[in-house]
Amino acid sequence: EVQLVESGGNMVQPGGSLRLSCAASGFHFSNSAMSWVRQAPGKGPEWVSVISANGINTYYSDSVKGRFTISRDNSKNTLFLQMNNLRAEDTAVYFCARGLWDGFDIWGQGTMVTVSS
Amino acid sequence: QSVLTQPPSVSGAPGQRVTISCTGSSSNIGAGYDVHWYQQLPGTAPKLLIYGNNNRPSGVPDRFSGSKSGTSASLAITGLQADDEADYYCQSYDISLGGSNVFGGGTRLTVL
Repeated sequence: EVQLVESGGNMVQPGGSLRLSCAASGFHFSNSAMSWVRQAPGKGPEWVSVISANGINTYYSDSVKGRFTISRDNSKNTLFLQMNNLRAEDTAVYFCARGLWDGFDIWGQGTMVTVSS
Repeated sequence: QSVLTQPPSVSGAPGQRVTISCTGSSSNIGAGYDVHWYQQLPGTAPKLLIYGNNNRPSGVPDRFSGSKSGTSASLAITGLQADDEADYYCQSYDISLGGSNVFGGGTRLTVL
């Protein structure tokens, strides 16, 4: 079964850090570009970051550049998002998703990140 | 305010046809970048409905179709069904400010 399962979401204080993980199964993870997409409560999705299949190329939205780092471990079929210096506006459900230029065709169920004092 | 503009809501009766517009600009849709559409049911992740402007992933009924012209795109749903009631989002790429994937603000479809 094709599946993405996120974990690591939690409540954290402003300025804190979190590391999200996304475990992939059922498809060739090492051949796939992977992204993180977030969705604040009551809002539409917002693309956060993408990493190439080999992990060499990474890109970020302006809203997280310099604070978030995307990475992957192809030997463990796992995607990561290290989030530092978190702000209230980072509060959202974070989804990992496969793909880039042909749309995001596989999504996880999401993990909730709440930034609040 | 989203880079891609969608109507907040549309509605239609069962069996009818509805369309959802997605208006962009010369830095995204008008620059030739593909448009993709997603359906999101409450409490679930978005689901890819249309990719590359007018292509359906396996398993998506042919009641759903997409088109693109100039700086805009549209999603059409024919033979409206009750379980089509959901939020719909368009997505493309924008080359301004260094480049980024962008989503529309979303359209809530109500089946009357």
